[in-house]
Amino acid sequence: DIVMTQAPLSVSVTPGESASISCRSSKSLLHSNGITYVYWYLQKPGKSPQLLIYRMSNLASGVPDRFSGSGSETDFTLKISRVEAEDVGIYYCGQLLENPYTFGAGTKLELK
Amino acid sequence: EVQLQESGPGLVKPSQSLSLTCSVTGYSITSNYWGWIRKFPGNKMEWMGYISYSGSTSYNPSLKSRISITRDTSKNQFFLQLNSVTTEDTATYYCARFGYGNGFAYWGQGTLVTVSS
Repeated sequence: DIVMTQAPLSVSVTPGESASISCRSSKSLLHSNGITYVYWYLQKPGKSPQLLIYRMSNLASGVPDRFSGSGSETDFTLKISRVEAEDVGIYYCGQLLENPYTFGAGTKLELK
Repeated sequence: EVQLQESGPGLVKPSQSLSLTCSVTGYSITSNYWGWIRKFPGNKMEWMGYISYSGSTSYNPSLKSRISITRDTSKNQFFLQLNSVTTEDTATYYCARFGYGNGFAYWGQGTLVTVSS
């Protein structure tokens, strides 16, 4: 199985400042078709997970452009610029390259 | 707008089967892929399996002997059955629509299933 390792597991951020979450995969997520099959999700308190970023760097519909995704074949970063109160929750990276599809352990973002 | 909603028993006894329904509105399940994901207490997320637009299925090997995903296209619903459950299957179960292009883009609200005698 592809292991997705997130860091940190929790982060406390002052509103208006930026935050970065790292995700590392145990195998390259770059397919021969040139697509990197890594995704980012946010689960807000009491809500279902929502898609933030697809295929490493593409912003999902309706997601503020304060969110951005980047990375290489095995190392990925979600950046949140100008953190707001509504960004609180648990962030997950995930891969859809191969079965079983796997997720990271989650990073809990709180406000200072 | 695509909407998904899970339904089923919230309490299942050990060794019995867990059965859930995902009702989809606003989109036909004969397109795209439709999956089940669960979140355990403590935040771990596990993909369980999917049924495709054609009815083919794929399962997480860790569950392969216990899981079955089926569908009823006339009702635009798909189903999860997990056999021989234990307390370790206690989790919130989500159904979701996904595509390799855009990930798990639509989720149900989730349903908590507790396995306990």
